[in-house]
Amino acid sequence: DVKVTQSSRYLVKRTGEKVFLECVQDMDHENMFWYRQDPGLGLRLIYFSYDVKMKEKGDIPEGYSVSREKKERFSLILESASTNQTSMYLCASSPAERAVGAFFGQGTRLTVV
Amino acid sequence: DAKTTQPTSMDCAEGRAANLPCNHSTISGNEYVYWYRQIHSQGPQYIIHGLKNNETNEMASLIITEDRKSSTLILPHATLRDTAVYYCIVRVAPQGGSEKLVFGKGTKLTVNP
Repeated sequence: DVKVTQSSRYLVKRTGEKVFLECVQDMDHENMFWYRQDPGLGLRLIYFSYDVKMKEKGDIPEGYSVSREKKERFSLILESASTNQTSMYLCASSPAERAVGAFFGQGTRLTVV
Repeated sequence: DAKTTQPTSMDCAEGRAANLPCNHSTISGNEYVYWYRQIHSQGPQYIIHGLKNNETNEMASLIITEDRKSSTLILPHATLRDTAVYYCIVRVAPQGGSEKLVFGKGTKLTVNP
């Protein structure tokens, strides 16, 4: 079974802290994605990566950065956490072949206080 | 990227077929249609996808119109556990370069006893 693992299920951080959200996939997928999900807004794409060290901005990249040093790991970084970044964060991965779906992790619920 | 339009919510009686529509009128020839669902507090789960032909798997059937401007996800015998938000998305299949999955707000399906 494909597994996408996010490092934490729940996280509480203080305003101004630097926050790292880690995501690891075990299926050698080329593509990895970070989304955030807020009530009434659905899933919004923050960043995605289609190869090691490659990244592209999604729809809402402001306040975030990403790192992909190894194929299996895609990190989302909040340089200086703010309360409006309180959200559910979801990581996903998919292979380069277009006719295959993406697989999601269980999500990290981040609260910034 | 093509955009998708779905109804905000739908209801279905347990044991009956649930038919969830999706409009993707600007879809282009190399874009697949994907369906995912998200049960409360979990990551989205892949259901099915298609390009031109109708598709069926153990979870659902996907009917794509001949002009590809719309599709319908069919859950043949809905159960209470099918209550979820269902997302219809399109995925570009370029020859090279990057791609991304863009989710809309989905349809909240409620299966009633």
